[in-house]
Amino acid sequence: GENVEQHPSTLSVQEGDSAVIKCTYSDSASNYFPWYKQELGKRPQLIIDIRSNVGEKKDQRIAVTLNKTAKHFSLHITETQPEDSAVYFCAASPNTGFQKLVFGTGTRLLVSP
Amino acid sequence: NAGVTQTPKFRVLKTGQSMTLLCAQDMNHEYMYWYRQDPGMGLRLIHYSVGEGTTAKGEVPDGYNVSRLKKQNFLLGLESAAPSQTSVYFCASRSAGTRHEQYFGPGTRLTVT
Repeated sequence: GENVEQHPSTLSVQEGDSAVIKCTYSDSASNYFPWYKQELGKRPQLIIDIRSNVGEKKDQRIAVTLNKTAKHFSLHITETQPEDSAVYFCAASPNTGFQKLVFGTGTRLLVSP
Repeated sequence: NAGVTQTPKFRVLKTGQSMTLLCAQDMNHEYMYWYRQDPGMGLRLIHYSVGEGTTAKGEVPDGYNVSRLKKQNFLLGLESAAPSQTSVYFCASRSAGTRHEQYFGPGTRLTVT
């Protein structure tokens, strides 16, 4: 089955710096890759997603890139702010119906003022 | 519009006791999911349903049962709770259309002693 690995497990940056979180997946048939943000004590919420027919997608300060050949995708956050502090999860959808997601183990991002 | 709700929010069980977690959504979503979240392990899929009356196993189904008798509700049962089932349980739902975002409930924190 699909396996998603996520690195780093923790990331500390200064406010205004950029942050990059990387994920690799094992199933070459996976074709949908979302990123979820979970603030402390809250539920996960989708922040951005990308499909396999697109190499990059941007939404204001966040962007996701996908390299299908290498089977990895990354989340980029620019001009980080303290409110970006949270746990970020990547995921991959291992079947053509997009019915299931396999999540990575999460990255705790801490943005210091 | 409450979105996805979960009952109860907290519960403490003794080993061997049983309980049912209720998930309800008012968005008319076809797909529903149960995940467990443990420190350092991300979100792992327990069971899911792609429609009323249908269920399927996820990554970690052992020790759990589910039922989807009504489209808006998805029940997760623990027949004989074990300390290894101490976790935070999240329910999620999404539509069967082209938008694949999963909407999560607020979570249930379960402790088995």
